[in-house]
Amino acid sequence: EPEVTQTPSHQVTQMGQEVILRCVPISNHLYFYWYRQILGQKVEFLVSFYNNEISEKSEIFDDQFSVERPDGSNFTLKIRSTKLEDSAMYFCASSGNSGGLRNEQFFGPGTRLTVL
Amino acid sequence: SQKIEQNSEALNIQEGKTATLTCNYTNYSPAYLQWYRQDPGRGPVFLLLIRENEKEKRKERLKVTFDTTLKQSLFHITASQPADSATYLCALVNNAGNMLTFGGGTRLMVKP
Repeated sequence: EPEVTQTPSHQVTQMGQEVILRCVPISNHLYFYWYRQILGQKVEFLVSFYNNEISEKSEIFDDQFSVERPDGSNFTLKIRSTKLEDSAMYFCASSGNSGGLRNEQFFGPGTRLTVL
Repeated sequence: SQKIEQNSEALNIQEGKTATLTCNYTNYSPAYLQWYRQDPGRGPVFLLLIRENEKEKRKERLKVTFDTTLKQSLFHITASQPADSATYLCALVNNAGNMLTFGGGTRLMVKP
């Protein structure tokens, strides 16, 4: 069964450093998302991406964040200058061929980001 | 501001009973509502989606209701099993279908 994959599973970085989190969505999906979950807290929407552009973003997704689909398979989240409060689990998700979140969404296993 | 509330206290039930979880929301008119299961350290797994014009949806042992007047959804698991133990998340979809807002989740523990 097709699945969303994410790398790395765990990333440790120093405050102020840039990180890139990588995702490979399900191959025929057209809508892509990033979420984060701080330990013990709820899953928070960051951004949705369709047709090579951001279609919605939350207030968390400020100028230090960016997303890119550099080729036909990868979808990346870049955090330019990490802060301690960016420590969280980051989930990538994708959904199918029409309607965005009006359809089932598939989540990856997550990347745990630890900022020291 | 928009608020989605799920009971933050764990729900403990006996195997074989029906579990009922509640999701209430305010200051929101979602087009769709989704329910997910999340196990510790894992990503959410989609369970069911219900549209604003649907009152009820079923899938195997799962049933979801959606009352847009009460601004509430109920999620039922019948004949519960210990393997159903997990955190269950309610999530609301905006009208454009491009943003999902999650509740804090309710942890369900099914005891044998």
